[in-house]
Order: sequence, then C-alpha cells, then structure tokens
Amino acid sequence: QKEVEQDPGPLSVPEGAIVSLNCTYSNSAFQYFMWYRQYSRKGPELLMYTYSSGNKEDGRFTAQVDKSSKYISLFIRDSQPSDSATYLCAFYSGGGADGLTFGKGTHLIIQP
Amino acid sequence: DTAVSQTPKYLVTQMGNDKSIKCEQNLGHDTMYWYKQDSKKFLKIMFSYNNKELIINETVPNRFSPKSPDKAHLNLHINSLELGDSAVYFCASSQGSNYEQYFGPGTRLTVT
Repeated sequence: QKEVEQDPGPLSVPEGAIVSLNCTYSNSAFQYFMWYRQYSRKGPELLMYTYSSGNKEDGRFTAQVDKSSKYISLFIRDSQPSDSATYLCAFYSGGGADGLTFGKGTHLIIQP
Repeated sequence: DTAVSQTPKYLVTQMGNDKSIKCEQNLGHDTMYWYKQDSKKFLKIMFSYNNKELIINETVPNRFSPKSPDKAHLNLHINSLELGDSAVYFCASSQGSNYEQYFGPGTRLTVT
C-alpha cells in the first residue's frame, strides 16, 4: 500500500463550481495535514494546514481531515480560473528535521 | 524580495558530469531541504539539514551530497550524473522542523 494516494486528474470544472480534492494516507505518525498549490513551472506554496480532525476554513477554501479514516479533503468554493494549478496534499510527522511526504498532486483546470 | 532562490533555473548536461545547484534563503530559517520532482510530478524529500544534523533519505544515491557553507545556503552537488537524474530539484526552508516550508522556484535538470 502506498503511503499517500492522490488522484492525479486532470480535473476540469466550470468557473464557479465547487471543487473537491482528496487524499488517503496510511502512516498513522502523520500529525500535520497540508495542502500545497503549485502553478506551472513554480515551486509549491502552502495553502492550508490542519493539525487535528475536523474542518478548517479560509476564505473560499475548506480543509477537512478525518484521522480515523486516514482521509483528507480540500474544498474550493466559487472556483476561479486563477485556481487552475496542481494541488498537492502533504503530510508531516513532526519528528526531527523531517521533510514533507507529498501526494502526486491533482491537476485542476477551471474553465472560464 | 525572493524568499528562497535557486541557481541555475535550467541545467542541461551530459552523463558522467559533475554539477552543483545553489540555494539561498533570506527568511532567517535554520532548516533547509532538497526535494526531487520527477517527470510524473511526484515530489520527494532528498535531504533535510539544520545546523545540528543532516537527514538523508535512504533512497538517495551517494552521488548526491548537500553542502551548507552557512545557515542561509544549502547547495546540492551531484557527481557522475545519470539519465535518471533528470528532474526538477526544489530547495525549501523552514524555521525549525516545521510543516510550513517555503519552496524555491526549482532547477530543471536535464541529463543527455
């Protein structure tokens, strides 16, 4: 079983739609759950993070974590063409100078 | 002001050569990282380093070595380049061992 599973897409939706992006993971040591956004030919940038199960909202973005099911989601409301990017789920165990464990990323296209 | 910068942006070289990629961060962070993003966009940690320890991902060949002249710099040296080394290499930094990592723009390495 892979440590992180994420559907690579591409996922194409019309402007204004609600987008749902998801990842599953298997490592129970993960304590921080993040979503990074990566535009073409750019480095990833942190979009949202959560520490515990539940929801966290930031503007049009909502991150959801279900630790019992090892499942995280990112919802984007009122999607805009500028949201077109690759969204990577990322996980951090919090021990030592560890790096992040990333999903493969979902390529999202918002059609104007 | 660029927070994390990398040079060069593009690097094309032949098999067997030795090359270096430079990374600098002006965020005052004490932990830096190198990630590799392969052709399938999978982003994977290679090294994490602070002034106390270097943590190496066990899958990284010993042809790769990080060198840190000071806290603001973490360069990546690659010896005897192989075709499979072709990828985009990202430098990142954080304050302490942290989920909030700031990424550079990437260096696209092509080995011919």
